[in-house]
Amino acid sequence: QSVLTQPPSVSAAPGQMVTISCSGSSSNIGNNYVSWYQHLPGTAPKLLIYDNYERPSGIPNRFSGSKSGTSATLDILGLQTEDEGLYYCASRDSSLNHGVFGGGTKLTVL
Amino acid sequence: QVHLQQSGSGLVKPSQTLSLTCTVSGDSISSGGYYWSWMRQHPGKGLEWIGYIYYSGSAFYNPSLKSRVTISIDTSENHFSLNLTSLTAADTGMYYCARGDGFSFWFDPWGQGTLVTVSS
Repeated sequence: QSVLTQPPSVSAAPGQMVTISCSGSSSNIGNNYVSWYQHLPGTAPKLLIYDNYERPSGIPNRFSGSKSGTSATLDILGLQTEDEGLYYCASRDSSLNHGVFGGGTKLTVL
Repeated sequence: QVHLQQSGSGLVKPSQTLSLTCTVSGDSISSGGYYWSWMRQHPGKGLEWIGYIYYSGSAFYNPSLKSRVTISIDTSENHFSLNLTSLTAADTGMYYCARGDGFSFWFDPWGQGTLVTVSS
């Protein structure tokens, strides 16, 4: 059972938009930054979003992040088939005194 | 461009120690500013933070693993290492190293991953 809760799966058609949620508490998301990772089959995880909504260089602007209260959201616009894979949120947990990841969401592009 | 290359044995017997090394190129570990990190992923499960170390040698660990894990750093070789003792089948999974931000808790880039199998 992960400290950060993500839906197990989401799906949408190519070109559409999908939203992946990440729910936590005041000890993690509520008072700490959130980051998001894309994990495609056979590759290492890749940072998509850091500090809640910042994009590293090279990440397309169709990936965007937001945070409100104890929840965070990753939006992916203009879905492409190569976006299929796992997506994780992460944050520090002040109560546990260490970092935590969400359980991951499998994105299927229909 | 920063690149992290993992090395070490992926097949370990129960009760033995896992040793992995992550060699950094394109950045100097001793320049400071980042925490050099290890994560793992059990088969079919999500990511788990194992711990990280600063160039000074200060290390921080996941409390659930703290009694068995040591992360060390060698600034002269520009690499850092993971030792995990008393392995069981529950430690089987993919292990990743990464460069991290200790305050914001983000990780980029990541190493290629090492599949660790604990089996006799």
